[in-house]
Amino acid sequence: EIVLTQSPATLALSPGERATLSCRASQSVSSYLAWYQQKPGQAPRLLIYDASNRATGIPARFSGSGSGTDFTLTISSLEPEDFAVYYCQQRSSWSPLTFGGGTKVEIK
Amino acid sequence: EVQLVETGGGLIQPGGSLRLSCAASGFTVSGNFMSWVRQAPGKGLEWVSIIYNNGSTYYADSVKGRFTISRDHSKNTLYLQMNTLRAEDTAIYHCARVGTYYDPLTGYSPGWFDPWGQGTLVTVSS
Repeated sequence: EIVLTQSPATLALSPGERATLSCRASQSVSSYLAWYQQKPGQAPRLLIYDASNRATGIPARFSGSGSGTDFTLTISSLEPEDFAVYYCQQRSSWSPLTFGGGTKVEIK
Repeated sequence: EVQLVETGGGLIQPGGSLRLSCAASGFTVSGNFMSWVRQAPGKGLEWVSIIYNNGSTYYADSVKGRFTISRDHSKNTLYLQMNTLRAEDTAIYHCARVGTYYDPLTGYSPGWFDPWGQGTLVTVSS
């Protein structure tokens, strides 16, 4: 099973600041990584797939990069609605599909 | 509008059974890969099960032999039959449509979860 490790666990930033979230895989997943956003009481929402492709309707301030074992989700300038928990997920080794433990982006 | 709505959660004693439903609108369940993902209180996401459009099913080791995923084409609904429930099965259970990728060598494989339902809470406790 491929293990995804996200860091930091919590990121405290102010609106307008840049957020950089990391996801590291225990073995290469090529570019087969996605990012999701989850707000309290809501379902997760797909942000990025295949490491760098924005899903439909996702603002351009969200970008993804990386390949192999190291990936980054960047939010260029935090909006109030961006404070949430973010998860990465890999599909390279499909059984089982696995998620990272999450990074909480909170208001400083 | 593409939408998923889960029902069927509740409080159940250890060893009991429960069936979750996920009603879909805006697309056909049987024409897609569909999955269940759970989230224990205050914890992260855990993949539980998947059903391919051809009917093939797969499970996480933690639920294999106890949970069964299925679908009803006429009702456009996905199900999760959960038996021999344990305290550690306590979670919000989300259903999700799964995007697919085609490889000429291996065929279709699951990709990303989109969209997701709001989830239904299952609490296993005496």
